[in-house]
Amino acid sequence: SQQGEEDPQALSIQEGENATMNCSYKTSINNLQWYRQNSGRGLVHLILIRSNEREKHSGRLRVTLDTSKKSSSLLITASRAADTASYFCATAFQVGNTPLVFGKGTRLSVIA
Amino acid sequence: GAGVSQSPRYKVAKRGQDVALRCDPISGHVSLFWYQQALGQGPEFLTYFQNEAQLDKSGLPSDRFFAERPEGSVSTLKIQRTQQEDSAVYLCASSSRDRTGTIYFGEGSWLTVV
Repeated sequence: SQQGEEDPQALSIQEGENATMNCSYKTSINNLQWYRQNSGRGLVHLILIRSNEREKHSGRLRVTLDTSKKSSSLLITASRAADTASYFCATAFQVGNTPLVFGKGTRLSVIA
Repeated sequence: GAGVSQSPRYKVAKRGQDVALRCDPISGHVSLFWYQQALGQGPEFLTYFQNEAQLDKSGLPSDRFFAERPEGSVSTLKIQRTQQEDSAVYLCASSSRDRTGTIYFGEGSWLTVV
């Protein structure tokens, strides 16, 4: 079973526009991570945000976390064709030794 | 190596055949994970090792699936008597920390059972 649910399932934008993807989860977390997967490739870690953090930046990426709503968003600014990929959120539970649980992902297409 | 290495990259197996998938993690990484990813889905956890100890195998879908990491480095995921529903990408990942930190994925082994 998958804990995180990304929204939307698919997103198509023009190059230069911003892309926003959302992730909702169900139980208390230690941290939340975002990964990118290009077609036919493995997943690449983008950013990790801890449960006591509200916002984090990395280059053109901005991640927010709202633990009261159990949700996170990933914003990619000034998108490029190379950003075309699937994006997954993954949650690490607060309690216990469970592994990272991934959502189903958002498929982002950036059209040049 | 510089990254997580998996082999074979592609495997076509006849139903009922046994397969073995190999993972060579990043050197020095104590944690190793196996995930299964069906087409259009996110990765689903299979099993987790810390060094040579298999600490969690709750995600293995049946007793046909077996994983080992005898010397705490290379790991092998074995699937016996493969079925069509086993067709998926099998992703290996490793981490220098515990299971809550960042994990680094290999390119995956694509298994097709015909």
